[in-house]
Amino acid sequence: EIVMAQSPATLSVSPGERATLSCRASQSVGSNLAWYQQKPGQTPRLLIYAVSARATGIPARFSGSGSGTEFTLTINSLQSEDFAVYYCHQYNAWPRTFGQGTKLEIK
Amino acid sequence: QLQQSGPGLVKPSQTLSLTCAISGDSVSSNIAVWNWIRQSPSRGLEWLGRTYYRSKWYNDYAVSVKSRMTINPDTSTNKFSLHLNSVTPEDTAVYYCVYSGDWGWFDPWGQGTLVTVSS
Repeated sequence: EIVMAQSPATLSVSPGERATLSCRASQSVGSNLAWYQQKPGQTPRLLIYAVSARATGIPARFSGSGSGTEFTLTINSLQSEDFAVYYCHQYNAWPRTFGQGTKLEIK
Repeated sequence: QLQQSGPGLVKPSQTLSLTCAISGDSVSSNIAVWNWIRQSPSRGLEWLGRTYYRSKWYNDYAVSVKSRMTINPDTSTNKFSLHLNSVTPEDTAVYYCVYSGDWGWFDPWGQGTLVTVSS
């Protein structure tokens, strides 16, 4: 099973600033990497797939990069609605696996 | 769109059963994969299993639940179901039914069902 490790566990950033979230895979997942956002009491929401493609309706301030085993989600000009938990997910192999999440909180 | 139904409380050693109703697609689609995922504070997001049709039906389960889990597609009602037997309090979680195409990522998700295992 591919293990996904996210860092940091918690990230404190001020509104208007940039947030950078990291995800590392225990083996290469190629470009088969997605990111989800989850707010309290809500379902995970697809943000990014194929490393850098934004899902429908996702603002341009969200961007993804990386390949192989190292990936980054960048959120520019943080808005109040962006403070949530973010998960990376590999779909290169079964079983599909997720990172443990990064909580993005207001500084 | 996926709409889940099922009980929110199950007694230990009994069977947890949830159903996911599909609208806007067919459970027999040749490009769809129908999944169950759960989320708990201790285990995070955990993929549990899938069912899909590619000229015949296939099922696949996570090692952690393989001996206890069954996913059944129902073409007459366009639904698929999860059955997890011999549950323990460790099976307490929010359960989601989720679509993935051949391309692989999970979207959309059902609304989630909090299932508590308790006597």
